[in-house]
Amino acid sequence: ETQLLESGGGLVQPGGSLRLSCAASGFIFRNFAMTWVRQAPGKGLEWLSTLSDTGSSTYYADSVKGRFTISRDILTNTLFLEMKSLRVDDTALYYCAKAGGEGFSDGFMYFASWGQGTLVTVSS
Amino acid sequence: SYVLTQSPSVSVTPGMTASITCGADNIGRKAVHWYQQKAGQAPLLVLFYDTDRPSGIPERFSGSNSGNTATLTISRVVAGDEADYYCQVWDSSSGQWMFGGGTKLTVL
Repeated sequence: ETQLLESGGGLVQPGGSLRLSCAASGFIFRNFAMTWVRQAPGKGLEWLSTLSDTGSSTYYADSVKGRFTISRDILTNTLFLEMKSLRVDDTALYYCAKAGGEGFSDGFMYFASWGQGTLVTVSS
Repeated sequence: SYVLTQSPSVSVTPGMTASITCGADNIGRKAVHWYQQKAGQAPLLVLFYDTDRPSGIPERFSGSNSGNTATLTISRVVAGDEADYYCQVWDSSSGQWMFGGGTKLTVL
């Protein structure tokens, strides 16, 4: 059974940095594309970043491009999101999600499994 | 950028059918996926590739996609279907994945 457990959230000042982790289990981590999605309080879902199954391709939303970096460690089955230059509007619950199906096809990717999220609050 | 438009809210009485739409330019040419998010919970995939249901999702959930509108249909609605529903596609022009703004389904 797929399990995704996010951690690393917390309170950070504007301009600060934070590193989120997503511990994956129950599937062959290196065979799946992985994604970060966030949800601001009372708002909808916002796709942030995707890492292809091979780890060679990364994709970012315009809102975080240049500030956030997605990566993974296939030895520990962990997905990361390095966040820099954080702003107040980055305050949200951050989810990691596993793609449906092994491999990667951008036009057809969907998010089959989700973690419970980790809360990031950016405030002075 | 590619914008997915969803009605903010839909209300339905138990036992009736709810239709939740996702509108965008030529969305019928894209693969549309749908997620259910109950209050305080993580999103749950309920339909992928327009019409396919993951294991465990009731047959009451179905979908269609043509022209400029994709639709999630929930038949014989029960109180437990009350949730926010989001559509999602890949926007090839921007190289990004997009979510609709979400529709809150209220079961009266």
